[in-house]
Amino acid sequence: DGGITQSPKYLFRKEGQNVTLSCEQNLNHDAMYWYRQDPGQGLRLIYYSQIVNDFQKGDIAEGYSVSREKKESFPLTVTSAQKNPTAFYLCASKIGGTAETQYFGPGTRLLVL
Amino acid sequence: GESVGLHLPTLSVQEGDNSIINCAYSNSASDYFIWYKQESGKGPQFIIDIRSNMDKRQGQRVTVLLNKTVKHLSLQIAATQPGDSAVYFCAENMGSGNTPLVFGKGTRLSVIA
Repeated sequence: DGGITQSPKYLFRKEGQNVTLSCEQNLNHDAMYWYRQDPGQGLRLIYYSQIVNDFQKGDIAEGYSVSREKKESFPLTVTSAQKNPTAFYLCASKIGGTAETQYFGPGTRLLVL
Repeated sequence: GESVGLHLPTLSVQEGDNSIINCAYSNSASDYFIWYKQESGKGPQFIIDIRSNMDKRQGQRVTVLLNKTVKHLSLQIAATQPGDSAVYFCAENMGSGNTPLVFGKGTRLSVIA
């Protein structure tokens, strides 16, 4: 099946711990995105990447880091510097360089212990 | 900040009636618009899109209308069903195809059986 996968579905973080959320796509999309969604809220952009080995900060990048070593993978690390990490994290991808639809993964819910 | 907003945060409709969800955008350079549906605990799903050179586009039971004069976008759902209950987001692409989409806050649609 083609699509975007995110893992795990639920993730628990302890105080001072870094955790990494996985996002993989087999759609051959160039651009990938990470969004944060708080309860009853819209989507806020954390980081995005238009090509391999390149990425840009979004509106709320503080406390997060990313890498884009492979076209199909865009992992997000929530660092200990992110003081309020509890949220629903969504990964998306699209064909690069054109105004086209972004497709979303199923999301990862991060909870703090 | 956000340039995409919604007139109504919640909408309740009777099953079988038509639903209309509205969205205002502020960037006249936006050239591509998308409507997404998000069910609880899931990632947003693409519903329908429209480019700025069109003013109407129809899908299966859904129609998107674009009024560039007043910078307004709407999603019409015909014969609303219980499965349509979800949060609906509009999103706009502002110019370059590499620019991330900007999302509105969303409207919750509740269908009354």
